Amino acid sequence: AQTVTQSQPEMSVQEAETVTLSCTYDTSESDYYLFWYKQPPSRQMILVIRQEAYKQQNATENRFSVNFQKAAKSFSLKISDSQLGDAAMYFCAFNPEGGGATNKLIFGTGTLLAVQP
Amino acid sequence: EAQVTQNPRYLITVTGKKLTVTCSQNMNHEYMSWYRQDPGLGLRQIYYSMNVEVTDKGDVPEGYKVSRKEKRNFPLILESPSPNQTSLYFCASSTSPGAGRYGYTFGSGTRLTVV
Repeated sequence: AQTVTQSQPEMSVQEAETVTLSCTYDTSESDYYLFWYKQPPSRQMILVIRQEAYKQQNATENRFSVNFQKAAKSFSLKISDSQLGDAAMYFCAFNPEGGGATNKLIFGTGTLLAVQP
Repeated sequence: EAQVTQNPRYLITVTGKKLTVTCSQNMNHEYMSWYRQDPGLGLRQIYYSMNVEVTDKGDVPEGYKVSRKEKRNFPLILESPSPNQTSLYFCASSTSPGAGRYGYTFGSGTRLTVV
């Protein structure tokens, strides 16, 4: 079965510091996509960053970057210069068929990030 | 504004009383899907639809029905709700293929409580 594992149910970071959220996945596919979604208290699911498996370069979006290790099947999210507005639940997600037939996203169980002032 | 509109936002109902959660998107997306979110379990797919009149089960379809009569609408139906269906529900859409490239656009969620 294809799965996504987030081993950190909760994390905490001081404002302006850097934090890394972990995600591992299991697949036999060679072509796939990975995502991080943010869910603030408003419940809205917000796409933070995405990574294409065939690209070796790690994706970055402003203060958010990923460390993609394909051989290790690891996809961690680094948040630099943490801000109070970064406090949220973060979900790692995986599309195992590279946009193929089912378009299915498989989600991890989430990491609740607290930002301390 | 491109969006997925999901209603209601909150719903409390009693066991066995049929209910429908509506979902509509204005992006002409072929693919639509329903997920439920539970603490410690993340988001799990209930049903999905590749296009009009094409629907299929996800990972947790028991107790749910869907229909896709129009491209923009994908309602979730609970014929006889039970307390174990108390959850946060999300509707999502994407182009097809495209979820891998662009991810999903999500609705704002429906908090359902079945007593």
